[in-house]
Amino acid sequence: EVQLVESGGGLVEPGGSLRLSCAASGFTFSNFAMTWVRQAPGEGLEWVSSISPSGSDSYYADSVKGRFTISRDKSKNTLYLQMSSLRAEDSALYYCAKRSRPGTYFFDYCGQGTLVTVSS
Amino acid sequence: QSALTQPRSVSGSPGQSVTISCTGTSSDVGAYNYVSWYQQHPGKAPKLMIYDVSQRPSGVPDRFSGSKSDNTASLTISGLQAEDEADYYCCSYAGTSTFVFGTGTKVTVL
Repeated sequence: EVQLVESGGGLVEPGGSLRLSCAASGFTFSNFAMTWVRQAPGEGLEWVSSISPSGSDSYYADSVKGRFTISRDKSKNTLYLQMSSLRAEDSALYYCAKRSRPGTYFFDYCGQGTLVTVSS
Repeated sequence: QSALTQPRSVSGSPGQSVTISCTGTSSDVGAYNYVSWYQQHPGKAPKLMIYDVSQRPSGVPDRFSGSKSDNTASLTISGLQAEDEADYYCCSYAGTSTFVFGTGTKVTVL
């Protein structure tokens, strides 16, 4: 059974940093691209960042480019999102999502999310 | 990277059909047959309902169907049931491993 468990969220001041983690199990982690999606309170879903199966390629939404870094550790089956220069508008529930098999462009599993609140 | 446009809400009585539109551009919805749809109940994670415009994952009832014409994709729920009441989001591949989600639609079962 595929499981994605996010952690690392919390309250942080504007301008601060936070690292989110997503522990993956139930599938061969190194074979699949992974993605972070966020949802501000009462708002819709927003694609944030994706990383290739090997970790060699990463992609970002314009809203986070230059401030967020996605990475993965295949030895720990864990996906990360390093967030810096945080702003109030980054406050959201952050979901980790697994891309389906290579050559496909959808997310077949999502975790339950970890909440990030940026406030002074 | 502008969000795809969806109606804010749609509603229908049990047994009826509802259709949710998802309008993008020639750079996303119109460029690829990679539109997916996600259902989200309150406080829950999104769940994949349709992928590649019209494909249903195993376990998704066949009353959920998808289609696309030019820059607009659609999700139709036939034979609406109470458990279908949820938020629905479309998502399109936008090239170079980037994606764009729709604004979301609340489906209400009257």
